[in-house]
Amino acid sequence: NAGVTQTPKFQVLKTGQSMTLQCAQDMNHEYMSWYRQDPGMGLRLIHYSVGAGITDQGEVPNGYNVSRSTTEDFPLRLLSAAPSQTSVYFCASRRGTGDTQYFGPGTRLTVL
Amino acid sequence: SQELEQSPQSLIVQEGKNLTINCTSSKTLYGLYWYKQKYGEGLIFLMMLQKGGEEKSHEKITAKLDEKKQQSSLHITASQPSHAGIYLCGALSPKGAGSYQLTFGKGTKLSVIP
Repeated sequence: NAGVTQTPKFQVLKTGQSMTLQCAQDMNHEYMSWYRQDPGMGLRLIHYSVGAGITDQGEVPNGYNVSRSTTEDFPLRLLSAAPSQTSVYFCASRRGTGDTQYFGPGTRLTVL
Repeated sequence: SQELEQSPQSLIVQEGKNLTINCTSSKTLYGLYWYKQKYGEGLIFLMMLQKGGEEKSHEKITAKLDEKKQQSSLHITASQPSHAGIYLCGALSPKGAGSYQLTFGKGTKLSVIP
């Protein structure tokens, strides 16, 4: 199993540009989540999904969209990038509520 | 929303010394996860605790859950340079549609001096 994969690893955007961060898992996990990690702020939940076709907002959803058309994929879309979205983004997945949550390697995004 | 406070924020220890990191929740704990992160890398799962009084160990790392105090502790015995990194605790928080999502503390940065 590849586990949780994320692309790209690094990305630089200009303010106002849009882009999609890709996340995929091959463990047939129902739960998938997106987090951002900023210095001194820890990991904050952006959006999450409990299965294909079901998504919901986390703590910091503004400026981001998600969709879950398949069990495997959970892309995160930045609609109009802002410098405040400069961060490291992590995707995660787990089978169910009390199961181990696995994280991807992260995407380091810089918005100029 | 649930808040997790980790203490200390950072820690510098001499190799071979023992240390403890604490994680305190503002709300009921439904499940507590510990992760380790090396600088610039992803999160490595260490342990998960679900029941009050539960204690788990892996190599030289032991985690305990005190449900009444809404607190977990992570103890490292005879620390080594390989233990250096950021330790994060995460707790399951009830969200919409009956699901539970992991929310995290801000992390404890551990440095081990040879």
